[in-house]
Amino acid sequence: GENVEQHPSTLSVQEGDSAVIKCTYSDSASNYFPWYKQELGKRPQLIIDIRSNVGEKKDQRIAVTLNKTAKHFSLHITETQPEDSAVYFCAAGSNYKLTFGKGTLLTVNP
Amino acid sequence: DTEVTQTPKHLVMGMTNKKSLKCEQHMGHRAMYWYKQKAKKPPELMFVYSYEKLSINESVPSRFSPECPNSSLLNLHLHALQPEDSALYLCASSQAIVTDTQYFGPGTRLTVL
Repeated sequence: GENVEQHPSTLSVQEGDSAVIKCTYSDSASNYFPWYKQELGKRPQLIIDIRSNVGEKKDQRIAVTLNKTAKHFSLHITETQPEDSAVYFCAAGSNYKLTFGKGTLLTVNP
Repeated sequence: DTEVTQTPKHLVMGMTNKKSLKCEQHMGHRAMYWYKQKAKKPPELMFVYSYEKLSINESVPSRFSPECPNSSLLNLHLHALQPEDSALYLCASSQAIVTDTQYFGPGTRLTVL
């Protein structure tokens, strides 16, 4: 089955800095790569996703890149703000299921 | 309506009880999911319903029994649970298939005594 590795497990940045979270996947059949943000005690919320026919996607301060050959994808958050503090999960999906990485706890210090 | 709702928010039950979790969406989505999430872990897929039929069961113990009465509703019936089943149970829905955007409900925090 699919295996998704996510790094780092914790990331602490100063407000205004950039944050990068990286994921690798194992199943070449995976073709959908969403990123979810989960604040403490709340539901996971989709922040951005990318499909395998696209190499990069951007939405304001958030961008995702995908390298299908190397089977890795990354989340980039620029100009971080304290409200960006949360756990971020990457996931890889095929028609069968969505497999999540173990999560990254991002802390943005004011 | 762009939300998935779940009831109850919290549930405490004994190991001999029978209870049910409820999930509802009115987005016209035809795929619905149950996930289990332990503290500081990612969501873990339990069941997938597609067009009201169970299409995936991730080898979940029979003490968890899903039901999809109609395209908007998803239930999870619980019976003879163990303390290790205590977790956040999340429902999600998507347009049709797994690789459509999945929207999560707020979850039910389950404690088994």
